[in-house]
Amino acid sequence: AQSVTQPDIHITVSEGASLELRCNYSYGATPYLFWYVQSPGQGLQLLLKYFSGDTLVQGIKGFEAEFKRSQSSFNLRKPSVHWSDAAEYFCAVGAYNQGGKLIFGQGTELSVKP
Amino acid sequence: GAGVSQSPRYKVAKRGQDVALRCDPISGHVSLFWYQQALGQGPEFLTYFQNEAQLDKSGLPSDRFFAERPEGSVSTLKIQRTQQEDSAVYLCASSSGQGRRNEQFFGPGTRLTVL
Repeated sequence: AQSVTQPDIHITVSEGASLELRCNYSYGATPYLFWYVQSPGQGLQLLLKYFSGDTLVQGIKGFEAEFKRSQSSFNLRKPSVHWSDAAEYFCAVGAYNQGGKLIFGQGTELSVKP
Repeated sequence: GAGVSQSPRYKVAKRGQDVALRCDPISGHVSLFWYQQALGQGPEFLTYFQNEAQLDKSGLPSDRFFAERPEGSVSTLKIQRTQQEDSAVYLCASSSGQGRRNEQFFGPGTRLTVL
């Protein structure tokens, strides 16, 4: 069955520190992977996506993610966190059929300490 | 240009009432998705439209849930005889094409509270 696991429910980092949010997926075929961010009262915004090719993908707001097939992982990273990055982050895999419906992890809430 | 809009943003219903949630996708987007997001959880797929055709409704939790998109643009998600477990944020997303390669753009959601 297709599934996405985000092991960390809540992470707190200091402003200026580096960040890594973990994501593991279970998918039978080549995964299409996404990271979304959700701020309070806002819709989900796409940060980056991986379909094929270079396993290190760059996204918006200074985020990047690395696809590691051997580990079934797609971890999100940022070298220096800003207070405005505090939000909920969701990893998702796109289903091959059903129009490409997204299967989401349960999310990681990021808090940023001043 | 306008993004995906949803109305109402907040809805409080008494148990047993019927509710209707509206989604206005980005103009010209052929694909439309509904997701349900319970508190503290990630969104879960409910149903998918390609134009006016509902191609997948496997995620609808019960026959109390019904969705339509009669003219291939605006969509309505209807919940009959609401129950407390229906309390959640309902998200709508649209995309310009078909398939997982196309980015889904999300609306702000409708927060439904059933008392």
